Amino acid sequence: KAGVTQTPRYLIKTRGQQVTLSCSPISGHRSVSWYQQTPGQGLQFLFEYFSETQRNKGNFPGRFSGRQFSNSRSEMNVSTLELGDSALYLCASQQVINTEAFFGQGTRLTVV
Amino acid sequence: SQQGEEDPQALSIQEGENATMNCSYKTSINNLQWYRQNSGRGLVHLILIRSNEREKHSGRLRVTLDTSKKSSSLLITASRAADTASYFCATDGSGGFKTIFGAGTRLFVKA
Repeated sequence: KAGVTQTPRYLIKTRGQQVTLSCSPISGHRSVSWYQQTPGQGLQFLFEYFSETQRNKGNFPGRFSGRQFSNSRSEMNVSTLELGDSALYLCASQQVINTEAFFGQGTRLTVV
Repeated sequence: SQQGEEDPQALSIQEGENATMNCSYKTSINNLQWYRQNSGRGLVHLILIRSNEREKHSGRLRVTLDTSKKSSSLLITASRAADTASYFCATDGSGGFKTIFGAGTRLFVKA
């Protein structure tokens, strides 16, 4: 069974630009969650999707958005990038929320 | 604020010794999970303990849960250099539909 795939693995963007990250969950998993990981803040919950619906959202500004498609693949978008958005963005898929989560390798975003 | 908080923040031990990490959380939970992360990579699930369980084992891992104290501990016995990683506890946060991670404990096992 293929694992969680995140693309791209690395990304360098300039302040003010926008970025879209992609996550393909494990086949059959309908719950996809996104996290931002920085050295200072640890793992911060961004949002969770299930069957194309956002069920919960973390404490992030509206510049952070996401969506989930009918095949459970998910994308997250960050607009008007700031230097502080530089982080490792992790996607996790679960069969059911609050069970074992399977993580992708992450997308490392650097904003310059 | 984070639901789970690990303690200590960092731990350095010799190979063969046991490593104990603690996690405290704030609200009631359905389950608590422990994950490992090798440097800059995705997290790997280690063990899940339900709120009605007090102890669980998996290989060299032993997890305890004390819901009255809202705390959990992860014990790694006979540690190896390959156990060097960050360890996170995760709980279901209030409001549902999200898994909240603590800041993690960085474990360094010296060969």
